[in-house]
Amino acid sequence: ETGVTQSPTHLIKTRGQQVTLRCSSQSGHNTVSWYQQALGQGPQFIFQYYREEENGRGNFPPRFSGLQFPNYSSELNVNALELDDSALYLCASSSSGAPYGTQYFGPGTRLLVL
Amino acid sequence: QKEVEQNSGPLSVPEGAIASLNCTYSDRGSQSFFWYRQYSGKSPELIMFIYSNGDKEDGRFTAQLNKASQYVSLLIRDSQPSDSATYLCAVNMGDTGRRALTFGSGTRLQVQP
Repeated sequence: ETGVTQSPTHLIKTRGQQVTLRCSSQSGHNTVSWYQQALGQGPQFIFQYYREEENGRGNFPPRFSGLQFPNYSSELNVNALELDDSALYLCASSSSGAPYGTQYFGPGTRLLVL
Repeated sequence: QKEVEQNSGPLSVPEGAIASLNCTYSDRGSQSFFWYRQYSGKSPELIMFIYSNGDKEDGRFTAQLNKASQYVSLLIRDSQPSDSATYLCAVNMGDTGRRALTFGSGTRLQVQP
């Protein structure tokens, strides 16, 4: 069974640039959620994708957007990067049939905005 | 705002002792509860989930849930230095169904050899 994978592992951008992060869900999982984790904090929900549609969104501005592809992989796009966007970005996959929304995390992408 | 609260720690216990980690949540409609372990520089790893009142045991770990008190805890028996990590409590709150987990800021556990 293949776990959740994310790419790249690390990324450095400058303020105002755009970034795309990628996630492949665990085998058999059809739902992908994205979280942002700032240093010393717990992960914060950005949004979730199910059947290629956004299925819930947290308190993040529209410059955070995403996609899900037919193979259930997903992208997170962030436009007009700000210094506060520096964080660990986590992708979590789950199955719509899983008990009570159990989610499994990938290794994360660490983004530094200068 | 719906919240999950944890003591940030560090919680320091000697090797072989029981570590007790606690979490409270604000949304009475919350349905399921998760404990994740996160080593420094790594991503969260699921340890346990619980959705019914009472205790749930898995090896050295026991999760306890009290919905009336809006309280969930994690006990780690026979603590080992390898258990030293940050433990994140996550709650699947009622109005988002299965969509989102709300996390506490985590409790840092240190197991002293």
